Amino acid sequence: DIQMTQSPSLLSASVGDRVTLSCKASQNIYKYLNWYQQKLGEAPKLLIYYTNSLQTGIPSRFSGSGSGTDYTLTISSLQPEDVATYFCQQYNSWLTFGSGTKLEIK
Amino acid sequence: QVQLKESGPGLVQPSQTLSLTCTVSGFSLTSNSVHWVRQPPGKGLEWVGAIWSGGSTDYNSALKSRLSISRDTSKSQVFLKMNSLQTEDTAIYFCTRSPAMYWYFDFWGPGTMVTVSS
Repeated sequence: DIQMTQSPSLLSASVGDRVTLSCKASQNIYKYLNWYQQKLGEAPKLLIYYTNSLQTGIPSRFSGSGSGTDYTLTISSLQPEDVATYFCQQYNSWLTFGSGTKLEIK
Repeated sequence: QVQLKESGPGLVQPSQTLSLTCTVSGFSLTSNSVHWVRQPPGKGLEWVGAIWSGGSTDYNSALKSRLSISRDTSKSQVFLKMNSLQTEDTAIYFCTRSPAMYWYFDFWGPGTMVTVSS
């Protein structure tokens, strides 16, 4: 099974900051990587699919990049409504999620 | 609009069988796939399995021996059955849609909490 490691597990940043979340796969996943946002008490929401494709309706401050085993979700200017836990998900070999990065406002 | 809604018992006894239903609207089960994803309280997400638009199924290898997913397209419903439940199966169970043969989940149900306890 492909293991997905997200870092950091907890990130505290200020409104307006540029924020970078990391996701590392245990083997090459050939960009088959999605990102989800989950707010407390809610279902996850798709943000980015296939590494860098922005889902319809998602603000352009969210972007994704990466290749091979290393992937990044970037929020260009952190907003209060971005407080959530973010999960990456690979689908190169079956499907596994990362353990999540909890993002809070400093 | 696209909607999914899970339903089922909130409490299941250990060793018993869990039966969940996902009722969908706003899209066709023959053109889209439905997956089940679960989340133990305070923990991360785990893919459970899927029924594809053509009716074939795939399961998490760790759960495969206990799991069955089926559907009734006339009722726009997808069913999950998992037997031999243990306390570690306690989780929120979500059903979610993936378009055609894609492996991303663009719409989710609100989830249903399942507690395994005597």
